[in-house]
Amino acid sequence: ETGVTQSPTHLIKTRGQQVTLRCSSQSGHNTVSWYQQALGQGPQFIFQYYREEENGRGNFPPRFSGLQFPNYSSELNVNALELDDSALYLCASSPVRQNNEQFFGPGTRLTVL
Amino acid sequence: GENVEQHPSTLSVQEGDSAVIKCTYSDSASNYFPWYKQELGKGPQLIIDIRSNVGEKKDQRIAVTLNKTAKHFSLHITETQPEDSAVYFCAASMQGGKLIFGQGTELSVKP
Repeated sequence: ETGVTQSPTHLIKTRGQQVTLRCSSQSGHNTVSWYQQALGQGPQFIFQYYREEENGRGNFPPRFSGLQFPNYSSELNVNALELDDSALYLCASSPVRQNNEQFFGPGTRLTVL
Repeated sequence: GENVEQHPSTLSVQEGDSAVIKCTYSDSASNYFPWYKQELGKGPQLIIDIRSNVGEKKDQRIAVTLNKTAKHFSLHITETQPEDSAVYFCAASMQGGKLIFGQGTELSVKP
């Protein structure tokens, strides 16, 4: 059974640019959540996708957007990058949306210069 | 508001001793409480969880307790080993599928 995978592993961008991060959910999991983890902090919820629709959203501006595809994989897009967007971006998948169990991928380390 | 407080922020124990990490949550509607272990350069790994209809759950050297009235839950690790060294996060479920995480506890197990 393949776990949650994310790409790329690391990414360096400059302020104002746009970035797309990708996530493949664990086999059989239909729900994907995205989190931002700043250095030394706990993960912060960005949003969750279920059946290709946004199911819930945290306190992040609209320049953070996402997609979920029919195979349950997902993308996180961030426009107009700011220095504070530098963080580890984590994707988590869930086997059943209602039971809240979430399994995390290794993350994508984004650095904004 | 939605908040999870976690203590202590750092914990150093001798190999073989027990370690306890405590969390408090604010939303009485929370009904799922997972614990994650995060090693350097890796994503959080789910190590144990508990639901609100259960007061205690154990898996080998790891146990979690939940006091719904006080909105407290705790992680207990017995017979600690050097490979237990990592950052541990508690979390509580909220509406919309989100997990709210604590600030983390850096556990160091000295051989």
